[in-house]
Amino acid sequence: AQSVSQHNHHVILSEAASLELGCNYSYGGTVNLFWYVQYPGQHLQLLLKYFSGDPLVKGIKGFEAEFIKSKFSFNLRKPSVQWSDTAEYFCAVTPNTGGFKTIFGAGTRLFVKA
Amino acid sequence: DAGVTQSPTHLIKTRGQQVTLRCSPKSGHDTVSWYQQALGQGPQFIFQYYEEEERQRGNFPDRFSGHQFPNYSSELNVNALLLGDSALYLCASSFWNRGNTEAFFGQGTRLTVV
Repeated sequence: AQSVSQHNHHVILSEAASLELGCNYSYGGTVNLFWYVQYPGQHLQLLLKYFSGDPLVKGIKGFEAEFIKSKFSFNLRKPSVQWSDTAEYFCAVTPNTGGFKTIFGAGTRLFVKA
Repeated sequence: DAGVTQSPTHLIKTRGQQVTLRCSPKSGHDTVSWYQQALGQGPQFIFQYYEEEERQRGNFPDRFSGHQFPNYSSELNVNALLLGDSALYLCASSFWNRGNTEAFFGQGTRLTVV
């Protein structure tokens, strides 16, 4: 079955630390890839997306992600986190099978200490 | 430009009852997807509607049904409610573009079944 695995459920960092959140998916074909963020009390918002082309994708608020097809991975990175990055982050995959189902990972809760 | 709006925001129902949740998509969007997000988990795909038809369905029983109206708004109906149906129900809208599209999420409806 298709699935998305996020490596860390909880991450605690100090401000200015670097962030990397892991995401792996299980599907052998072409995929569209997403990272969504949910700030406390707010709805899910798109951070960045990958459809095709350059595997290094830049999103909002200084986030970026790299698609490594051979590793079925789409890890999220940020060089220097801020207290305002405290949120829950979800990796999501839409297999390009002609279907339309988006599969989400379980999420990673990030807490940034001021 | 209104984003995705869902109603109601909170709902408490008794086991065995039926519930209807509503979603108005973002302006210009023609596709609506519904997700169930249990506590501590990522959103799980229920189904997607396009051109007033269910286009794909996730692993949810027939108790979960939906509808899309000519103005693209949508309803999610759940019959014979179980305690396990307690969750946040999310609506996401998008514009169909051969699958290369991003979804915008509403705030969700928090359903509690007692």
